[in-house]
Order: sequence, then structure tokens, then C-alpha cells
Amino acid sequence: KQEVTQIPAALSVPEGENLVLNCSFTDSAIYNLQWFRQDPGKGLTSLLLIQSSQREQTSGRLNASLDKSSGRSTLYIAASQPGDSATYLCAIMGSSNTGKLIFGQGTTLQVKP
Amino acid sequence: NAGVTQTPKFRVLKTGQSMTLLCAQDMNHEYMYWYRQDPGMGLRLIHYSVGEGTTAKGEVPDGYNVSRLKKQNFLLGLESAAPSQTSVYFCASRDYNEQFFGPGTRLTVL
Repeated sequence: KQEVTQIPAALSVPEGENLVLNCSFTDSAIYNLQWFRQDPGKGLTSLLLIQSSQREQTSGRLNASLDKSSGRSTLYIAASQPGDSATYLCAIMGSSNTGKLIFGQGTTLQVKP
Repeated sequence: NAGVTQTPKFRVLKTGQSMTLLCAQDMNHEYMYWYRQDPGMGLRLIHYSVGEGTTAKGEVPDGYNVSRLKKQNFLLGLESAAPSQTSVYFCASRDYNEQFFGPGTRLTVL
């Protein structure tokens, strides 16, 4: 059974810092991995999607990497801003045809001005 | 292009009442999903559908029923609500790779 773990559960950094959020998974037979952002009381916004054959994806100040062999993904945020404060969720889509996502419990990020 | 929409946004029920949550998508996606999100538990899959007229159980299906009579709609029903079903419910639809989520329904069962 696939399990997804995100560490740390919460993180507080001063504005301008570069930071890394971690996601680990137990089964390397994945179809893809998706990083989401969730603001308090809101829905999920997709940030980056990495296919199983890819090593990384970039969008603006965000860079996500994938290492299937070690069961790890990282989300790198450069030059953090207060507007980056949110909960970041990692989700794995398995190799079955159903497309179900298995989510980690998230990392809540606070960026202080 | 509205994407994925959910109705209602908020609802308060008494124990034993029934209700239906509606999810609609205008992206012509085959796959649709219902998740619930609870503090400390993350998002968990309730039911899903791989096409019109088909449904399947997810991780936490007990107490819920679903229907996919039209491709664009996926309904989640609670026949007899219980306090344990207090949660935020998210619907999603999927293209080949990516899932797109609705804004959520916040349900409280008293």
C-alpha cells in the first residue's frame, strides 16, 4: 500500500529565504507526482506535476524534483515571500488505470515579512 | 470555462438527515473523484468514476453513495448523516495526467 509522508509538518522562515519541502513515498511504481498549494479554507491549486520518467519540473520560483529509486520528491521555493504562506501538499498517482491520488498530510509554510 | 464546480459551498445537517453534493466539470473529463479532508488525516478518496455510468469505492466509502448519470456530473450522497461525516469534501476531475479540484464543500453534522 502506497504511503506518502511530508516532513516537516510546519515551517516558519523569514522572507527572502530559499527553502525545501520534502515528500517521501513507499512504492516507487508511480505514474506521476503532483504538488499542490492550499490556502486556508480554500481548494487545491496545482503547482507542478512530474511524470515518472522526469527528474524535475520548474515554474517561476518553484522547482520540484523526483527520485523514484529513493522514493523522494522535493519542492524548492526560491526567495520566499509572505504570499507563499500556505499548506503544500504532495500527491502520488499510482500506476493503475484509476488515476487515484494518495496524499501526504502537507507542510504548512509561514513566511514572515 | 468554469473548470470544476461544487454545490453547495457550506451546509449544516442534523444527525440522520440526508443530502446530495453536486460536482460538475466542463472539461469533458472521463475520470471524476470525491475526497474528504480532515485535520490530521489529509485527503482521502471516498468514491471515484472512470466514466459515465460507472462508479467504484475508494479508501473510505462507508456511509456514502455516488452516481454518474451524466459525464459532466458526479453526485455524492449521504443517506443518514453522522457527526463523523463532518468534513470538507472536494471533487476532482482528471485528464490524462493531472487532477483538477473544485473549491470544496464544508459540511457540518450536528
